[in-house]
Amino acid sequence: RKEVEQDPGPFNVPEGATVAFNCTYSNSASQSFFWYRQDCRKEPKLLMSVYSSGNEDGRFTAQLNRASQYISLLIRDSKLSDSATYLCAVNSRASSASKIIFGSGTRLSIRP
Amino acid sequence: GAVVSQHPSRVICKSGTSVKIECRSLDFQATTMFWYRQFPKKSLMLMATSNEGSKATYEQGVEKDKFLINHASLTLSTLTVTSAHPEDSSFYICSAAQGAGSQPQHFGDGTRLSIL
Repeated sequence: RKEVEQDPGPFNVPEGATVAFNCTYSNSASQSFFWYRQDCRKEPKLLMSVYSSGNEDGRFTAQLNRASQYISLLIRDSKLSDSATYLCAVNSRASSASKIIFGSGTRLSIRP
Repeated sequence: GAVVSQHPSRVICKSGTSVKIECRSLDFQATTMFWYRQFPKKSLMLMATSNEGSKATYEQGVEKDKFLINHASLTLSTLTVTSAHPEDSSFYICSAAQGAGSQPQHFGDGTRLSIL
């Protein structure tokens, strides 16, 4: 089983729609969670961190469910510019090292 | 915001060539840098964690003699792909952690490596 799993999509939704992504993680000791956005042939860019109480940044809402070991990202009123691949990332501690494991990404395509 | 510069952005070379990629944190000191590889339509795969002044920690299945990592200062880490072959063609991305616990990570622009 992969340490971090995402639905690869693609999600194809009309402009203005609300879309939600989920991501599950297997390591219950994971401490930090993030959503990144990656455009085609570009590096990932941090979209938002995910806090235990849930957090919102404009049209984006992230939530964490530790009991079920998943994080979610909700995008409201989607724009054409939201088309990208969204990667969830989980901080994983192995022995004395701390590293971030990425999911395979969910592709989102917004159509006019 | 934190800026990470990666160079070169694109490399095309013959099989057997060794290629060095640089990763610099421009406006902060990065105790830890990470090297990832991403094949088309695939996830970012962590190759190794690089700590300043010490040996890199490689992920399982990554050959340390093939992918040489040097982290000589708090602002520079290099990845050398030795004797590269076509199967090494990929998108290589570095990231640097500004805070404790390796989070959040700031990524370089990536290097697209094509081995003919």
